[in-house]
Amino acid sequence: QVQLVESGGGVVQPGRSLRLSCAVSGFTFSAFGMHWVRQAPGRGLEWVAGISYDGSKKHYADSVKGRFTISRDDPKNTLYLQMDSLRPDDTAVYYCARASDPALGELFSAFDIWGQGTMVTVSS
Amino acid sequence: EIVLTQSPGTLSLSPGERATLFCRASDFVSAMYVAWYQQKPGKAPSLLIYGASARASGIPDRFSGYGSGTDFTLTISSLEPDDFAVYYCHHYGRSPETFGGGTKVEMK
Repeated sequence: QVQLVESGGGVVQPGRSLRLSCAVSGFTFSAFGMHWVRQAPGRGLEWVAGISYDGSKKHYADSVKGRFTISRDDPKNTLYLQMDSLRPDDTAVYYCARASDPALGELFSAFDIWGQGTMVTVSS
Repeated sequence: EIVLTQSPGTLSLSPGERATLFCRASDFVSAMYVAWYQQKPGKAPSLLIYGASARASGIPDRFSGYGSGTDFTLTISSLEPDDFAVYYCHHYGRSPETFGGGTKVEMK
């Protein structure tokens, strides 16, 4: 069964760090580009970051560039999002998602599989 | 960055009616890189349409996508009770990827 399961969310003070994980099962993780997408409470979807199948290419939204780092550990079938210098406007549900076509690259596929999301609250 | 503007913000319709949702890009985009998602409350989005008009696996044919250039549409030919949700368009193919603000399809 193809599945993405996020973890690591919680309540954190502004300026602190948090690392999110996305555990993958049911498909060959190492073949697919992956992404993080977030959704602030009551708001729409915002793309956060993407990574190529081999980790060699990483892309970030301007709003998180320099503060967030996307990475992957293929032997562990896990995607990560390291979030530093967190701000209140980073408060959101964070979803990991799979880029659907491994032949097209991480930027050239829609997102066909999503996790259930993990909530991050940045507040003092 | 490509900005996607969805309209209307809310669509109030009855089961059996036709729903037409719009997504306008701030600049020309390739139709190869436009997708649509459905999201229900408390759930993750799910892929409906990719490449502007291709239905994802398992998506019924009452959902159809169309468009080119800067204007894209998602049509639900005859609304079923399960279709009342929020719909997002998505532009990919370059960084940063972007989403529209969403259209809520609510039951009248």
